[in-house]
Amino acid sequence: DGGITQSPKYLFRKEGQNVTLSCEQNLNHDAMYWYRQDPGQGLRLIYYSHIVNDFQKGDIAEGYSVSREKKESFPLTVTSAQKNPTAFYLCASTTPRGPLGANVLTFGAGSRLTVL
Amino acid sequence: AQRVTQPEKLLSVFKGAPVELKCNYSYSGSPELFWYVQYSRQRLQLLLRHISRESIKGFTADLNKGETSFHLKKPFAQEEDSAMYYCALSGNTGFQKLVFGTGTRLLVSP
Repeated sequence: DGGITQSPKYLFRKEGQNVTLSCEQNLNHDAMYWYRQDPGQGLRLIYYSHIVNDFQKGDIAEGYSVSREKKESFPLTVTSAQKNPTAFYLCASTTPRGPLGANVLTFGAGSRLTVL
Repeated sequence: AQRVTQPEKLLSVFKGAPVELKCNYSYSGSPELFWYVQYSRQRLQLLLRHISRESIKGFTADLNKGETSFHLKKPFAQEEDSAMYYCALSGNTGFQKLVFGTGTRLLVSP
């Protein structure tokens, strides 16, 4: 069953703790993205990666970090420097070789992070 | 700067009524426009894109470059259309960042 798997689905964190959200895809997609979804604010881009071992900051990268050591994996770390980390986090991927082109994203089911 | 504006947070209609979800954008260049939909307890997924010029689930959207709009329309709403709808844009060459609007929740009542 091809797709994007995000884990954990729900995560609770104490203030001051770092936490890592997992995103794995078996679609052989080149590009991967992390978005944050907040009510009334839509989806905002945190980080993205178009190739292994390379990634770029999105619009709200402060307090977050990522790595792209493997094509299939793009984990997101929410650090203690993120002032308001409670949110729903979405991972997505795409490839230019698919039938729909480079900018049609396939999304994961999301991870909900709550800071206590 | 790239920007997508969806002025309505909530649109409530009765079954069988016409629906129009508004989307305006700003982009210096030739954008690619999309509508994504998120049904309850489902993943965010593509509904349609402007270059396809197709109707999906009875929805259509026309890119109006003069008005910089990409409104989503359906002549007769169904209850199963109730969902969160996001308009998004990107550049039209290679990999591009996809910028989303704030979303409009469509509620179709019986």
